[in-house]
Amino acid sequence: KQEVTQIPAALSVPEGENLVLNCSFTDSAIYNLQWFRQDPGKGLTSLLLIQSSQREQTSGRLNASLDKSSGRSTLYIAASQPGDSATYLCAVMNSGGYQKVTFGTGTKLQVIP
Amino acid sequence: DARVTQTPRHKVTEMGQEVTMRCQPILGHNTVFWYRQTMMQGLELLAYFRNRAPLDDSGMPKDRFSAEMPDATLATLKIQPSEPRDSAVYFCASGSRTGGLSGNTIYFGEGSWLTVV
Repeated sequence: KQEVTQIPAALSVPEGENLVLNCSFTDSAIYNLQWFRQDPGKGLTSLLLIQSSQREQTSGRLNASLDKSSGRSTLYIAASQPGDSATYLCAVMNSGGYQKVTFGTGTKLQVIP
Repeated sequence: DARVTQTPRHKVTEMGQEVTMRCQPILGHNTVFWYRQTMMQGLELLAYFRNRAPLDDSGMPKDRFSAEMPDATLATLKIQPSEPRDSAVYFCASGSRTGGLSGNTIYFGEGSWLTVV
């Protein structure tokens, strides 16, 4: 059974700081890994998707890396802004005939102006 | 701008009542997920459909929950009878099993916020 863990559960940083969010998973037989953002009272917004054959993906100030063999992914946010405050979740899609998606519990980020 | 549409957005109901939540997946998407989110459990997968066929509903309490896809444009999640412990946000998501770098991206609806009193 795939288990996805995100550490830390909460993070508070001053504006402008670079930061790293961590995601670890127990079963390395994955199809892809996706990072989402969730604002309070809202649904989940996809940020980046990394296929199992890729090592990283970049979008603007966001960079996500994937080390499948060690079961880890990181989301790097450069020059953080107050608008980045949200909960960030990683989701792992398992390979195989049934591509089940397992979510981590999320990291709640607060960027202080 | 294609998006997953869920109704109702908010629902308050009394214990014992039937609740039906609806989801319109993005046109052309062939996979649909139902998730429940609570503070204690986080996001839990309730049901998963591919090409309208249920592939996994092991996360769903079978005695009171049911999920269906009457057609490719509508997915429903029904709770009967509802209980206070069902209070949560219910998300529908859709995706498409296509290849390429963007294949299998999952798109979420805004959620149905359910309170059972």
